[in-house]
Amino acid sequence: QKEVEQDPGPLSVPEGAIVSLNCTYSNSAFQYFMWYRQYSRKGPELLMYTYSSGNKEDGRFTAQVDKSSKYISLFIRDSQPSDSATYLCAMSEKGSGTYKYIFGTGTRLKVLA
Amino acid sequence: GAGVSQTPSNKVTEKGKYVELRCDPISGHTALYWYRQSLGQGPEFLIYFQGTGAADDSGLPNDRFFAVRPEGSVSTLKIQRTERGDSAVYLCASSLTLAGADTQYFGPGTRLTVL
Repeated sequence: QKEVEQDPGPLSVPEGAIVSLNCTYSNSAFQYFMWYRQYSRKGPELLMYTYSSGNKEDGRFTAQVDKSSKYISLFIRDSQPSDSATYLCAMSEKGSGTYKYIFGTGTRLKVLA
Repeated sequence: GAGVSQTPSNKVTEKGKYVELRCDPISGHTALYWYRQSLGQGPEFLIYFQGTGAADDSGLPNDRFFAVRPEGSVSTLKIQRTERGDSAVYLCASSLTLAGADTQYFGPGTRLTVL
């Protein structure tokens, strides 16, 4: 079993829809949770960063972390065709002597105009 | 300001050859990371540096892989006797420090193809 599980999709939604992307994890030591967006043949671009449990909002994006369930989510409101990309969740223990990120496989999202 | 840059953007080599991949981190970032991303997968950690020293190289798959960062800025990932299974995108990232609040910013990657 992988430390971080993410549905690879693809996920297709109409323009304007609310998108929900999720990851589950098994390592209770994870403290930092990130969402990256990756366009085809590009490097990952940081979208959201959350420490521990709770919600964080930035424009059309909301990140949620539920440590009790070991479950994180990214919501995209009013989705646009330009949001079509692969979304990667990443997690890190940090502060325990290790600083590497553990990534999910990524979910491919396609927003249809 | 300038982001993380990686050269070359693409590298095609033959099985058994030696390759070097270069990473220029964001100016002032002391921590530097290498990841490898295979098709349809998320990035997998290889090694990270704090300054000039490799703080964690537990992700390097075998002794054919080696990385250096001699002056605490630019880093080079070196792969000896390349194999077809080494074909992947090699990503470099940097962060200001190793502190908990410092996130990793990624470069565009080097796409390595071993024929």
